[in-house]
Amino acid sequence: NAGVTQTPKFRILKIGQSMTLQCTQDMNHNYMYWYRQDPGMGLKLIYYSVGAGITDKGEVPNGYNVSRSTTEDFPLRLELAAPSQTSVYFCASKLAGDHTDTQYFGPGTRLTVL
Amino acid sequence: QQPVQSPQAVILREGEDAVINCSSSKALYSVHWYRQKHGEAPVFLMILLKGGEQKGHEKISASFNEKKQQSSLYLTASQLSYSGTYFCGTEVSTGGFKTIFGAGTRLFVKA
Repeated sequence: NAGVTQTPKFRILKIGQSMTLQCTQDMNHNYMYWYRQDPGMGLKLIYYSVGAGITDKGEVPNGYNVSRSTTEDFPLRLELAAPSQTSVYFCASKLAGDHTDTQYFGPGTRLTVL
Repeated sequence: QQPVQSPQAVILREGEDAVINCSSSKALYSVHWYRQKHGEAPVFLMILLKGGEQKGHEKISASFNEKKQQSSLYLTASQLSYSGTYFCGTEVSTGGFKTIFGAGTRLFVKA
C-alpha cells in the first residue's frame, strides 16, 4: 500500500491563479481530511469528508473548495490564490467514524503564493 | 475549539524526563498524540480514550483525565530521536468525527 499520496510536492503560484492539490489513499478509508500548517504553527482543519459525495467545512474553509467523487480521491481547490494561503497542506485519512482510529498523513504539499 | 498545549517549548538533555499537557474546554471522546519532525508529516503516537486509560509507546506514555478534559504525554529517559514538535488532537463528535489539533509543543533533546 502506498498509503496517502499528495501531488505536487511543491508549487509556486502567482496571486489570483488557481490550482488543485491532489490527494489519494489506497487504504479504503472512509474519512479524509485537509489541513494547512503555517510556519511554526499547528494544523488547521480546512475541510473533511466522511465518504464519497459528503464533505463538510473545518476551521478555516474560506478560499478553498473540495469534492469527493470516489472513496480514494479528495482534491482541494484554490480558486483565487492569495499570499495568506502560503502554507504546507497535509491530506489525511482514517478508516471509519470510530474515534479509536488514527489518521494517516500524506507527505504534504508546500505552496507559496507570490 | 482548539485544545491548549503547554509548555510551548522544552529543552532537555538526553536521559531527562518531560511532560506535555493538553487541555480542552469541551467534552472529549478521545485524545490523539502525534510527533512531527522538521519538514515531515505528523506521525501517530497513540490514542487515549475516555475513562482515564493510560497507554504507552516505548518510553512514551500518556494519560487522559476525562473529568478534567485533560491529557498528558510523558517522555521518560529522553533520547535524541524524541526531538520534534508534539501535537495533541482532540475529537468531538459532530455526526462525523473530526480532529482539532493544538498549537504544538517543541521538544529539543541535546546530548
